[in-house]
Amino acid sequence: GAVVSQHPSWVICKSGTSVKIECRSLDFQATTMFWYRQFPKQSLMLMATSNEGSKATYEQGVEKDKFLINHASLTLSTLTVTSAHPEDSSFYICSARPRGRPETQYFGPGTRLLVL
Amino acid sequence: GEDVEQSLFLSVREGDSSVINCTYTDSSSTYLYWYKQEPGAGLQLLTYIFSNMDMKQDQRLTVLLNKKDKHLSLRIADTQTGDSAIYFCAESKASGTYKYIFGTGTRLKVLA
Repeated sequence: GAVVSQHPSWVICKSGTSVKIECRSLDFQATTMFWYRQFPKQSLMLMATSNEGSKATYEQGVEKDKFLINHASLTLSTLTVTSAHPEDSSFYICSARPRGRPETQYFGPGTRLLVL
Repeated sequence: GEDVEQSLFLSVREGDSSVINCTYTDSSSTYLYWYKQEPGAGLQLLTYIFSNMDMKQDQRLTVLLNKKDKHLSLRIADTQTGDSAIYFCAESKASGTYKYIFGTGTRLKVLA
């Protein structure tokens, strides 16, 4: 149980295009989903927190118009990197918090984005 | 501010015990976690401990918490080559969004 999937697992795109990453909780309902960014050999940095049916809360320094987050259902959140540039290349990881277990997050396998 | 620190590397021989250490600064942390990350993959929750506990054991894993010194450790008994990975500690508070603050990660290498 407690499986979180991400799609795609990796993506290469041209500079200026937009990329959408999906995060799904497969066998539980997630009241909250989190999006993280991880640079090579570094820790995870929280980008934003999204609650189902409401606007995402972004961490300081994260551009909300650049990283659009939609949490339309209790099992799906999407992150869209708009007008991607090479500096957006990174490993993006989502996590999902099950209903009734606020202390727990289950992580997806990550999406590697390379912007050329 | 909140800060979570770990040593960067640890190398052990197969069969030995590994001890990975973590220090944190926020004394109001309620939950402390250990996650494992294998190359190119997401994070796997290994275990977590409430701040009112001193120790938690789960098979080969033992977590020790020294709240006074704000020090958390993860001991892996009988370390295997499959344990080679990056280990992250994280802390969160039982308020608001319970968001995590992650440590810098410790790369564990197990030598055969």
